[in-house]
Amino acid sequence: GAVVSQHPSWVICKSGTSVKIECRSLDFQATTMFWYRQFPKQSLMLMATSNEGSKATYEQGVEKDKFLINHASLTLSTLTVTSAHPEDSSFYICSASYGASYGYTFGSGTRLTVV
Amino acid sequence: RKEVEQDPGPFNVPEGATVAFNCTYSNSASQSFFWYRQDCRKEPKLLMSVYSSGNEDGRFTAQLNRASQYISLLIRDSKLSDSATYLCVVNKGGSNYQLIWGAGTKLIIKP
Repeated sequence: GAVVSQHPSWVICKSGTSVKIECRSLDFQATTMFWYRQFPKQSLMLMATSNEGSKATYEQGVEKDKFLINHASLTLSTLTVTSAHPEDSSFYICSASYGASYGYTFGSGTRLTVV
Repeated sequence: RKEVEQDPGPFNVPEGATVAFNCTYSNSASQSFFWYRQDCRKEPKLLMSVYSSGNEDGRFTAQLNRASQYISLLIRDSKLSDSATYLCVVNKGGSNYQLIWGAGTKLIIKP
């Protein structure tokens, strides 16, 4: 149980375009989902906390107008990278928890390459 | 000081060996502790939660030392498939379920 599905797995896009990444909890309801970014050989960095039915909470240094998060239902959160640039190329991962003591389930990640 | 610190490694150990690594955390209010493993270019997967009394899952043993604010992971009889990066994860504090991630320790098991 507690499966999180993330799509797409990888995407290559041109600079200036926007990319949407979807994160779905398949067998549980996730009122809160988390979006992370991971650069090569670095730790996961929390970008934002996505709350169902309300605005996302962004970490310091993360531009909310560039990384649009929508959490319209208890099973779906989306991250849209707007006007992507090469420096946005990274591994983006979403996660959700079904109970803090159980840890967190992760999507399989999306590798974004902006050319 | 980083909130969660790990030795990045890599640790190169022969198959069958026992290996252990530690992780230190800075927030004494943290309540939840986890070890995740991450394979190259994949998402992290929960290896085990870490409990105050210590816990064991097969060849893996996790320990928590609140006084010194570190957690450890011991792997016995290491397998080639144990090669991965092991991430130490701590919640931000109290009941706050925001996670703070270590940068990971890379483990390479050699035949």
